[in-house]
Amino acid sequence: GESVGLHLPTLSVQEGDNSIINCAYSNSASDYFIWYKQESGKGPQFIIDIRSNMDKRQGQRVTVLLNKTVKHLSLQIAATQPGDSAVYFCAENTYNQGGKLIFGQGTELSVKP
Amino acid sequence: ETGVTQTPRHLVMGMTNKKSLKCEQHLGHNAMYWYKQSAKKPLELMFVYNFKEQTENNSVPSRFSPECPNSSHLFLHLHTLQPEDSALYLCASSYGDRGQPQHFGDGTRLSIL
Repeated sequence: GESVGLHLPTLSVQEGDNSIINCAYSNSASDYFIWYKQESGKGPQFIIDIRSNMDKRQGQRVTVLLNKTVKHLSLQIAATQPGDSAVYFCAENTYNQGGKLIFGQGTELSVKP
Repeated sequence: ETGVTQTPRHLVMGMTNKKSLKCEQHLGHNAMYWYKQSAKKPLELMFVYNFKEQTENNSVPSRFSPECPNSSHLFLHLHTLQPEDSALYLCASSYGDRGQPQHFGDGTRLSIL
């Protein structure tokens, strides 16, 4: 399943399928990006990050892709599990903003058993 | 378990009450942040402290008063709040430099009667 960031804030996938969550970031000067996962009743949890000198970075079952040309970031989750159900946020950091992050609206991922 | 602890987890208060939210981080970070999270909206940055000094106030009404006695503790003092202030208040910490992730607590769910 695939989402289109701000225009489709919910994504429903079948357990075991791959999920793709998209994010269009705002500032071409941003050079550091993070994906967070927020489960119900909890705060955002760091998943994976990527710097602008990379196009792809892999973690455990997750991959982040960065396309600077079109200012697009995606999070791929392999073999989606019920425990992956949460809201996923992207965040960007711009080189002249210190540690300040700008967050996207978020996409709610729902995994059907 | 996170390295950032927020108390209380839930707070219900009347508009004339005064209360405080507390945040403590055990990650050795230098910067601490307050965010407001309302339903269906991106995280809104409220305040930033770096080495105990306030470096950002994002046009927050004066009924919210932050305090940072040291790099490990952050408070948000509340007085004469409005119903629209009901939200999840999240605290985060980081090393404060660009290109570093922020780590979040689980928030305080605030309800104004």
